[in-house]
Amino acid sequence: AQTVTQSQPEMSVQEAETVTLSCTYDTSESDYYLFWYKQPPSRQMILVIRQEAYKQQNATENRFSVNFQKAAKSFSLKISDSQLGDAAMYFCAYRSGKTSYDKVIFGPGTSLSVIP
Amino acid sequence: GAVVSQHPSWVICKSGTSVKIECRSLDFQATTMFWYRQFPKQSLMLMATSNEGSKATYEQGVEKDKFLINHASLTLSTLTVTSAHPEDSSFYICSASFDRIYGYTFGSGTRLTVV
Repeated sequence: AQTVTQSQPEMSVQEAETVTLSCTYDTSESDYYLFWYKQPPSRQMILVIRQEAYKQQNATENRFSVNFQKAAKSFSLKISDSQLGDAAMYFCAYRSGKTSYDKVIFGPGTSLSVIP
Repeated sequence: GAVVSQHPSWVICKSGTSVKIECRSLDFQATTMFWYRQFPKQSLMLMATSNEGSKATYEQGVEKDKFLINHASLTLSTLTVTSAHPEDSSFYICSASFDRIYGYTFGSGTRLTVV
């Protein structure tokens, strides 16, 4: 069975600085997708960034980028120029690529605080 | 696009009563919907997977008779918490797959409080 681990329950960053959230996963599959979701206090789940396992190039979305190390099964999220609105729970997630209705497996989450 | 509308946002019910939560896909057909439960400061725990026109698949440890899931159409899935008890108080979230690559879109969640 696939598992997702986030070893940092809580993180903090100074506003305008850079922070990296860690994620590792375990799978025997070769085709899969990885995601970072943000859950602000409103508790609405928001997709931050995604990565297809077959792509070697790291995904980037504005201030958010990932470091995808497939062999090491590592998928970290880097947030640059941190803003107060980035404060939230961040969940790393895994999804098999077999079908369009495979379930998403979430990590335990990292609570990010942004210090003004 | 790809919006899932979840209602109600919050509900308070008395112990022993049943509560229904609805999730509707507004601009796409959701063949499959997922129901999650989330306790404070914890991750999302998958409860069940519902497929349109068939019985839901429940995760291990989830009581099928307590959490009734119905997916009668391609745009509507419902979760009914039957004979609710205070320990059922939680945050319930639905999600649906709209694109194989982009993953899932989530409803806004329902905060259930059983008194």
